[in-house]
Amino acid sequence: DAGITQSPRHKVTETGTPVTLRCHQTENHRYMYWYRQDPGHGLRLIHYSYGVKDTDKGEVSDGYSVSRSKTEDFLLTLESATSSQTSVYFCAISDGLDIPQYFGPGTRLTVT
Amino acid sequence: DQQVKQNSPSLSVQEGRISILNCDYTNSMFDYFLWYKKYPAEGPTFLISISSIKDKNEDGRFTVFLNKSAKHLSLHIVPSQPGDSAVYFCAANFGNEKLTFGTGTRLTIIP
Repeated sequence: DAGITQSPRHKVTETGTPVTLRCHQTENHRYMYWYRQDPGHGLRLIHYSYGVKDTDKGEVSDGYSVSRSKTEDFLLTLESATSSQTSVYFCAISDGLDIPQYFGPGTRLTVT
Repeated sequence: DQQVKQNSPSLSVQEGRISILNCDYTNSMFDYFLWYKKYPAEGPTFLISISSIKDKNEDGRFTVFLNKSAKHLSLHIVPSQPGDSAVYFCAANFGNEKLTFGTGTRLTIIP
């Protein structure tokens, strides 16, 4: 399995508070991704990175920001969490085009 | 607009029989397709992929078929085993770094 960890694995937070989720890889892969999984929607891309300090938006990026200061770490920040951001968040990595992405174990976030 | 569609939210199959999961897509520029399997409380795991230059790819009990004219992808699992019970996602891309996922099909294998 690809070396991907996510922290925390579970988090409960209140509406309006900032939250940062961390994805860490040991594979030295170029691309890193943040997805959210919700019932009836499958996996939807939030943001992705194609290199250190190089990021771009996905299809559901509103309310989220990301940063990648090192190859191995990709941070997802909810500046002011809302109940609609309650979800399971997955990080993924890949090393090129037309090859699989490999996923981390996920973070379950509940915003009350 | 859902570009990758899995129209069956769930499927139940007897152990030992064939499981067939289906996926339709609308974007004719997609040229690489994948299937992922997901157990509860775990991340999706890559299962099998196929390039648009092929119409079939096999890996053990898993075979993916691609019908480009119908914009249809299917995953066959033969024989089905209890450990195959999971949610299956199809995904597609067209030569860039992003994947588009379907909404998933929950497969239940009945012993």
